[in-house]
Amino acid sequence: EVQLVESGGGLVQPGRSLKLSCAASGFTFSNYGMHWIRQAPTKGLEWVASISPSGGSTYYRDSVKGRFTISRDNAKSTLYLQMDSLRSEDTATYYCATESYDYWGQGVMVTVSS
Amino acid sequence: DIVMTQGALPNPVPSGESASITCQSSKSLLYSDGKTYLNWYLQRPGQSPQLLIYWMSTRASGVSDRFSGSGSGTDFTLKISRVEAEDVGVYYCQQFLEFPLTFGSGTKLEIK
Repeated sequence: EVQLVESGGGLVQPGRSLKLSCAASGFTFSNYGMHWIRQAPTKGLEWVASISPSGGSTYYRDSVKGRFTISRDNAKSTLYLQMDSLRSEDTATYYCATESYDYWGQGVMVTVSS
Repeated sequence: DIVMTQGALPNPVPSGESASITCQSSKSLLYSDGKTYLNWYLQRPGQSPQLLIYWMSTRASGVSDRFSGSGSGTDFTLKISRVEAEDVGVYYCQQFLEFPLTFGSGTKLEIK
């Protein structure tokens, strides 16, 4: 059974950093690209970043480029999102999802507030 | 960026009736490989999004055949036949033709 479990969320002050993790199981993680998608409270879905199976290619939305870094450890079957210089508008539930969007984690809440 | 525009539903929809949700893209999602790079999702209250339809018209594994997707390169429809209580939630279309990946704003379905 495919499982994606996010962790690392919480309350953080503007300008600070946070690192999210997504532990994958039930499939050969190293064969698939992965995505981070977020959802602000009461809002719709917004793609954040994607990474290729090897980690050699990464893609970001403009509003997080230069602040967020997507990475992966295929030996640990884990996806990461390093979030620096956080802003209030980054407040959202963050989901990790598989390459074909057929599996999503339960989401992890990130709140950026002083 | 490709803009995805979703239509609204005349809520609430009577149980057992059909409902159709529209989605328009600002650029054709039909690629040279013959595939249309459009997904449909359902997000039930308090849950993660669930993939319903990919490549515009292919049902995801385990999805009821009451759900069907159709369309052209820029205009798409998700049809739900015989709506049930478990269909309640917000439906999103998404293009995955190019980065940035973009979603529609969502269409809420309520059942009477």
